[in-house]
Amino acid sequence: AAGVIQSPRHLIKEKRETATLKCYPIPRHDTVYWYQQGPGQDPQFLISFYEKMQSDKGSIPDRFSAQQFSDYHSELNMSSLELGDSALYFCASSQILSSYEQYFGPGTRLTVT
Amino acid sequence: DQQVKQNSPSLSVQEGRISILNCDYTNSMFDYFLWYKKYPAEGPTFLISISSIKDKNEDGRFTVFLNKSAKHLSLHIVPSQPGDSAVYFCAASVGAGGTSYGKLTFGQGTILTVHP
Repeated sequence: AAGVIQSPRHLIKEKRETATLKCYPIPRHDTVYWYQQGPGQDPQFLISFYEKMQSDKGSIPDRFSAQQFSDYHSELNMSSLELGDSALYFCASSQILSSYEQYFGPGTRLTVT
Repeated sequence: DQQVKQNSPSLSVQEGRISILNCDYTNSMFDYFLWYKKYPAEGPTFLISISSIKDKNEDGRFTVFLNKSAKHLSLHIVPSQPGDSAVYFCAASVGAGGTSYGKLTFGQGTILTVHP
C-alpha cells in the first residue's frame, strides 16, 4: 500500500540558511499534518492543512511557513535556521472526514550546524 | 504542560508474556485516543485506536482499554513477541467541533523491550 512520502530524508544546513521539506500524502487523503520531534522528545504538532486550507496551528515559529498544494502535497519552509531547529520533522496524512487515524511518513532529519 | 503522560520510560517483558503500557491524560476535551509504535529512523506506525464512547477495542494481539473517569488508557499486547520491541507512543485528539480537530497530542513514549 502507498505510504506518506517525505523528502529529503536527511538535510544538513547552516545557521541562518533556509530549508524546504516536502510531503506527499497517501492518495485520497485530504489532510496533512506536520510534527517536530526533538532529541528524546515526543512529536510536537506544528501545523495542519485540510483541502489546501490551514486548519490548525500549533507551536510553529514565525520563521516557518507551510502550504498545501492542489495535488495535496505539502511543503514546510523554514528560514533563518537556528541550532534548535535540528530535529526530526514528520508529515502525516489522513482522511479527516472518515478517520482520526493519521499515517506518518518516515520523517526528514534536519541538522543545523 | 504535558497533557498526555506516559510515566514509564521503559518496560521489559519476556516473550510470550503480556506487555501493559499505560497512558494518562489531563484534557477532558480529548475524545479519541491512539497508540503508535515507532522504530528508530522510521515514522510512527498506527497500531490501534479507541473512541471515548467505548471502553475497549481489540485488534489481534493488541487491546486498548479506556477509563474515562480516571483519564487513563492502557495498551495490552498478548502474547508479546521480540518484534514488538520499539517505542510506543500514546496520542490523543479532540473530536469534531473542537478547536483543534485532528491534531494529535503525544505522550513521551515508552520503550518496550521483549526478551526471547
